[in-house]
Amino acid sequence: QVQLVESGGGVVQPGGSLRLSCAASGFTFSNFGMNWVRQAPGKGLEWVTFIRYDGINIYYADSVKGRFTISRDNSKNTLYLQMNSLTPEDTAVYYCAQDRQRSGSYPDAFDIWGQGTMVTVSS
Amino acid sequence: SYELTQPLSVSVALGQTARITCGGDNIGRKNVHWYQQRPGQAPLLVIYRDSNRPSGIPERFSASNSGNTATLTISRAQAGDEADYYCQVWDSSTGVFGGGTKLTVL
Repeated sequence: QVQLVESGGGVVQPGGSLRLSCAASGFTFSNFGMNWVRQAPGKGLEWVTFIRYDGINIYYADSVKGRFTISRDNSKNTLYLQMNSLTPEDTAVYYCAQDRQRSGSYPDAFDIWGQGTMVTVSS
Repeated sequence: SYELTQPLSVSVALGQTARITCGGDNIGRKNVHWYQQRPGQAPLLVIYRDSNRPSGIPERFSASNSGNTATLTISRAQAGDEADYYCQVWDSSTGVFGGGTKLTVL
């Protein structure tokens, strides 16, 4: 079945870095755009970043631009999120989510979600 | 930046109809998606592109979008519908979520 499994979360000090991974299975990963969405404890959902199925188009939320980098390895069916210069405001559960549209040029709905990985930024 | 406004909470009696609104400037010109998030779980897409239900989502879930308001309607509400609901759009290559609405089934 279609599955997304995030990993790489943990506790990091302010100013530190972390790389998250999202392993995809059950579908042709290279055909779908992918997103990272986060949720701070007790708060709502916040979109973080999108990468098109072929990696050509990439978008970031203003809150992470210049600090976070999304990438994908279609040969490994894996999505990544490199997070640098972390602050306590980045503390959240990070979800990867598959775009609904196959080979879409523009982002669509977030169709399939992983279970999330927790990132805590604290000294 | 574009903003989406949702009521913090909505209550509905068991078996009745719940309506959750999502307000935004000319939101009727955008594709609106809706997500359900039960406590401790990942979000689930329940409506995409204004009014379309993904496979497996009951027909009790419907939605509309016009003018400055999009609306998610849940008919014959069940205890299992109790959850947080989020609307979402894309604006200038930026994903935007509403603040979320907690649905309570009485």
